[in-house]
Amino acid sequence: QVQLQESGPGLVKASETLSLTCTVSGAPIDSFFWSWIRQSPGKGLEWIGYMFNSVSTSYNPSLKSRVTMAVETSKSQFSLRVSSVTAADTAVYYCARRLGANWFDTWGRGTQVTVSS
Amino acid sequence: NFMLNQPHSVSESPGKTVTISCTGSSGRIASNYVQWYQQRPGSAPTTVIYEDNQRPSGVPDRFSGSIDSSSNSASLTISGLKTEDEADYYCQSYDSTNVIFGGGTRLTVL
Repeated sequence: QVQLQESGPGLVKASETLSLTCTVSGAPIDSFFWSWIRQSPGKGLEWIGYMFNSVSTSYNPSLKSRVTMAVETSKSQFSLRVSSVTAADTAVYYCARRLGANWFDTWGRGTQVTVSS
Repeated sequence: NFMLNQPHSVSESPGKTVTISCTGSSGRIASNYVQWYQQRPGSAPTTVIYEDNQRPSGVPDRFSGSIDSSSNSASLTISGLKTEDEADYYCQSYDSTNVIFGGGTRLTVL
């Protein structure tokens, strides 16, 4: 059974960099695409990006200039960094596994990140 | 930019059938697969339909998905409604550069 668990600071200051990690169990991290998706308070879902082995990445065009994703295979983890954060980046951040034609079969429980001024 | 438009809310009684629509803002929605996710309050989304009309293991056959090219829309149909189906439902698709989610539909089973 594949399981994902997000971790990282719940509070980030405006203009700084948000950093999150997703730990994968039950599936080889180097065999799948992995993704980050966020949900702002009371709002819908927004795809941030996905990657395969840190070699192939694809980011949401609206966030591309501020986002970096990477994989640490030895720890079965992948990460997200969002630079120059503002209040608009306050959200619950989910990591997820991407399968086939861009669908997400397994999600983490999500982690709340609040950007403070 | 390609967008997916969903009704804000729908409601129906237990035992009835409800259909939630997802309309593409441009292009042909049938060009790329559509997925549907269920999100209960305080929980992460789970997939109920993928690749237009496929159900993941464990999802009851009360859930079905379809595409209507003439209206450029996808639909999620839930039959035999149960109170546990009350949740937010999101459609999702993609284009050449982006993965797109609809705004979500709140299903109330009353």
